[in-house]
Amino acid sequence: DAGVIQSPRHEVTEMGQEVTLRCKPISGHDYLFWYRQTMMRGLELLIYFNNNVPIDDSGMPEDRFSAKMPNASFSTLKIQPSEPRDSAVYFCASSPSDGSKEQYFGPGTRLTVT
Amino acid sequence: DQQVKQNSPSLSVQEGRISILNCDYTNSMFDYFLWYKKYPAEGPTFLISISSIKDKNEDGRFTVFLNKSAKHLSLHIVPSQPGDSAVYFCAASASDYKLSFGAGTTVTVRA
Repeated sequence: DAGVIQSPRHEVTEMGQEVTLRCKPISGHDYLFWYRQTMMRGLELLIYFNNNVPIDDSGMPEDRFSAKMPNASFSTLKIQPSEPRDSAVYFCASSPSDGSKEQYFGPGTRLTVT
Repeated sequence: DQQVKQNSPSLSVQEGRISILNCDYTNSMFDYFLWYKKYPAEGPTFLISISSIKDKNEDGRFTVFLNKSAKHLSLHIVPSQPGDSAVYFCAASASDYKLSFGAGTTVTVRA
């Protein structure tokens, strides 16, 4: 398996623009997680899905952030409008529902908002 | 509020010696603990885990110890190798599949 795939790997955009991050989880994994990593806050969970349904979005910072999972093999995290403080590395991870709780992370998307 | 704390931001150890990384947690509902390793420009990768019904789990050079009464766990790496130089994250989970991560400890293994 190719592992969790994220695109793009790097994104530079101007404040106010819409940003869409994409994730393809590992086939067969029922859970998908979106994380954000910053120097100040470390690795924080934004939202997670189980069988394509959002279960907990309490980590989403504000209404500018939204996430969708239209099918088992694709998820998006959208920021509209983007702000400089959104600059961070965004990770997607997936996990099987076998009780192990082990999450498999993608390589991340480094977002820079100028 | 940080429910998982790694109070040592960095650790430097000589090759061949033992690395000990520490992690404390505050949520008594956590029943599963994991360690992840992260290289620059890559995502975290799973290293080792332990359930709260155990106090020790070993996998090759890596051993995790859990002290539930102290709400403390540690990761021992012995012997340390240059390829172990990375950031190590402690993570914890309660009854669901969410993970709460610590801030990470940067390990540098000196030749």
